[in-house]
Amino acid sequence: AQSVSQHNHHVILSEAASLELGCNYSYGGTVNLFWYVQYPGQHLQLLLKYFSGDPLVKGIKGFEAEFIKSKFSFNLRKPSVQWSDTAEYFCAVTPLEYGNKLVFGAGTILRVKS
Amino acid sequence: DTGVSQDPRHKITKRGQNVTFRCDPISEHNRLYWYRQTLGQGPEFLTYFQNEAQLEKSRLLSDRFSAERPKGSFSTLEIQRTEQGDSAMYLCASSRENTGELFFGEGSRLTVL
Repeated sequence: AQSVSQHNHHVILSEAASLELGCNYSYGGTVNLFWYVQYPGQHLQLLLKYFSGDPLVKGIKGFEAEFIKSKFSFNLRKPSVQWSDTAEYFCAVTPLEYGNKLVFGAGTILRVKS
Repeated sequence: DTGVSQDPRHKITKRGQNVTFRCDPISEHNRLYWYRQTLGQGPEFLTYFQNEAQLEKSRLLSDRFSAERPKGSFSTLEIQRTEQGDSAMYLCASSRENTGELFFGEGSRLTVL
């Protein structure tokens, strides 16, 4: 089945550690790619997006993601996490041949220890 | 705040009852989406509208579920004869056409006893 896979469901890091969250998708055509974040008690918010162009995308709060087409991957990175980055992170894909709906991964819960 | 708003935020109901959720999108957005999220899962697509037209429905949307967007503005999602398996967070999102960027509301949490 076509899907979006996030490699880790729970990640625990200490402040200042580096973060990389994996995301792979299985759609073969053109895709738009997103990372959304949900802070405790808040709604889903867009962190960053990739439509075309430079495969290294920079988002808010120091996050970035790299689109590697050959690996069907869109991993999220941050060089140094903060306690305030504690949240759930969702990778999402819009496979354009299937219309404009977002298909989400299962999410990764990140806890940053202060 | 001119974001997406949903009402009610929480609904507890007994099995077999009908429930209705309302979503008010961002005013200039012509696309409106409904998603469902259960614990430990990402949001799952249910249906979406472009203006008042319902363009796509997921197979997840059984015949007990109906969504409307009568004037191309707010939308309602009704669940008839609720079952315990319907317990979930129901998320609404809106977007401008062709941007692919969805703006989400805070969700309506349904608990079916």
